[in-house]
Amino acid sequence: DIVMTQSPLSLPVTPGEPASISCRSSQVLVHSNGKIFMAWYLQKPGQSPQVLIYLGFNRASGVPDRFSGSVSGTDFTLKISRVEAEDVGIYYCMQALQTPYTFGQGTKLEIK
Amino acid sequence: EVHLAESGGGLVQPGGSLRLSCAASGYSFSSYWMHWVRQAPGKGLVWVSRINTDGRTTDYADSVKGRFTISRDNAKNTLYLQMNGLRVEDTAVYFCGRDLSGEYDNWGQGTLVTVSS
Repeated sequence: DIVMTQSPLSLPVTPGEPASISCRSSQVLVHSNGKIFMAWYLQKPGQSPQVLIYLGFNRASGVPDRFSGSVSGTDFTLKISRVEAEDVGIYYCMQALQTPYTFGQGTKLEIK
Repeated sequence: EVHLAESGGGLVQPGGSLRLSCAASGYSFSSYWMHWVRQAPGKGLVWVSRINTDGRTTDYADSVKGRFTISRDNAKNTLYLQMNGLRVEDTAVYFCGRDLSGEYDNWGQGTLVTVSS
């Protein structure tokens, strides 16, 4: 199975400051069609996960442009340019290149 | 508006069965792969199963293989998960999802399954 390793697991951030979450996969997630089968999700308290970034670096519809995703080999980064109070929750990375799909452990973002 | 609504969760004894349903609306249900993902209380997300558009291709996590069966009825816009031989460790909120990792990724609100004697 592909292992997804996230860091940090806890992320206290002051509102207005930037934040960054990393995810490393145990193998390259590029399909033969050139697409990167990886996504970032945010699960707000008491809610289901919502996609933020799909296919590696594409911002999902309705997601604020302060969220961005980047890829370098097996390293994936989610950046928030200026954290807002509504961004609290648990962030997960997920690979969908092969089954079983696998998730990172989750990063809990909290406001200082 | 796309909407996925899970139902069928509840309390069941170890060894028992449940069938979860996921009613889809607001899009062409038959055009997308569908998935089940679960989350044990206070834990992370775990992928369970997926099914292709016509229902002929399915995949499962090893932990549920041989016990769970995913299916879909495109005429009824509904996804199912038949769960047999339930174990205490199957206790979780079960989410259905569309097009995971893709542009049209959507999740339902989840349904709680509790396996306990």
